[in-house]
Amino acid sequence: GAVVSQHPSWVICKSGTSVKIECRSLDFQATTMFWYRQFPKQSLMLMATSNEGSKATYEQGVEKDKFLINHASLTLSTLTVTSAHPEDSSFYICSASPGGGQPQHFGDGTRLSIL
Amino acid sequence: SQQGEEDPQALSIQEGENATMNCSYKTSINNLQWYRQNSGRGLVHLILIRSNEREKHSGRLRVTLDTSKKSSSLLITASRAADTASYFCATDKSNTGKLIFGQGTTLQVKP
Repeated sequence: GAVVSQHPSWVICKSGTSVKIECRSLDFQATTMFWYRQFPKQSLMLMATSNEGSKATYEQGVEKDKFLINHASLTLSTLTVTSAHPEDSSFYICSASPGGGQPQHFGDGTRLSIL
Repeated sequence: SQQGEEDPQALSIQEGENATMNCSYKTSINNLQWYRQNSGRGLVHLILIRSNEREKHSGRLRVTLDTSKKSSSLLITASRAADTASYFCATDKSNTGKLIFGQGTTLQVKP
């Protein structure tokens, strides 16, 4: 079945650091990938739509300069949290679909902790 | 908020019992999906039901959809301890894969 890999699974870093999270579709190509954020014991909130070869589309309230998204190939999207602060600590999850009516497949998520 | 509502927020049952979770949403949809999330992990897709479908089955899972009430339910029959997880409904308004999630139901199945 379709597999989405996310890396790293866990990162701890100091305030002010920029952190890059990768989302890869391992056995299919995806022109579109999605990035979500999840706080403890809460649901997933869509942050942005990552579009291969073009700019990402951000949801209302999500700072595009804070959360940089790059979708340079059909199998890789990256989310960079720039100058991260403790309030950016969260669980970040990506999803992608092979298309053709198939559902979204999710990565295992990245737990980001900013000290 | 765009997010839908799910109830109950938490459900605790004994192994072998059935578990029913409900989801309501706010806008018209193309399809509705149910996902499962084990603690600290990603989401696993369970079942997708399209707006023109009323009921769908997959193994021990049964999903219903009532578009007139903008609601869906997920029934897990003969529950097992391994079913312990959080369950989310998610709606896709335009068949783009862009999902709006409900608040989730945390299910505990006691052995």
